[in-house]
Amino acid sequence: AQTVTQSQPEMSVQEAETVTLSCTYDTSENNYYLFWYKQPPSRQMILVIRQEAYKQQNATENRFSVNFQKAAKSFSLKISDSQLGDTAMYFCAFMKPYNDMRFGAGTRLTVKP
Amino acid sequence: NAGVTQTPKFRILKIGQSMTLQCTQDMNHNYMYWYRQDPGMGLKLIYYSVGAGITDKGEVPNGYNVSRSTTEDFPLRLELAAPSQTSVYFCASSYSKGTGKQETQYFGPGTRLLVL
Repeated sequence: AQTVTQSQPEMSVQEAETVTLSCTYDTSENNYYLFWYKQPPSRQMILVIRQEAYKQQNATENRFSVNFQKAAKSFSLKISDSQLGDTAMYFCAFMKPYNDMRFGAGTRLTVKP
Repeated sequence: NAGVTQTPKFRILKIGQSMTLQCTQDMNHNYMYWYRQDPGMGLKLIYYSVGAGITDKGEVPNGYNVSRSTTEDFPLRLELAAPSQTSVYFCASSYSKGTGKQETQYFGPGTRLLVL
């Protein structure tokens, strides 16, 4: 069974600085997808970034980028120029084809002014 | 385009009661999902559907039932509510062309359920 591990329950960062959230996963699949979702206090799940395992190039979305290390089964999220609105829970998720998505337990990120 | 909508937003149930959580999407997505999120935890898949008339179990299906009679709607049924079903329930949808490529899932705002 696939598992997703987020080893940092809580993190904090000063506004405008950079922070990296860690995620590791365990799978025997070769074709899969990885996601980072943000969940602010409103509880809405918001997609931050997505990575397809067959793509070697790391995904980027504005201030958000990932470091995808397929051999190490690692998928970290880097947030540059942190903003107060980035304060939220961040969930790493793994999905193999045929829709079986698994989430990590989450990392609570606080951006301090 | 409202995306994925869920009703109700919050509900309190007594043990043994039943209820249906509603989920509707207007994006013409063929795939729909139900997740639950327990306090301090990530989401766990309850059931999913790849199209009207087709449903399948996820990681934690016990105590729940689903149906998918239309593309837009995917209700989740709790028959005999138990305190262990206290959670936040999220519905999501996505579109797949059936080639094995999975598109992004879009989530509803969630339904908070308290079973006492």
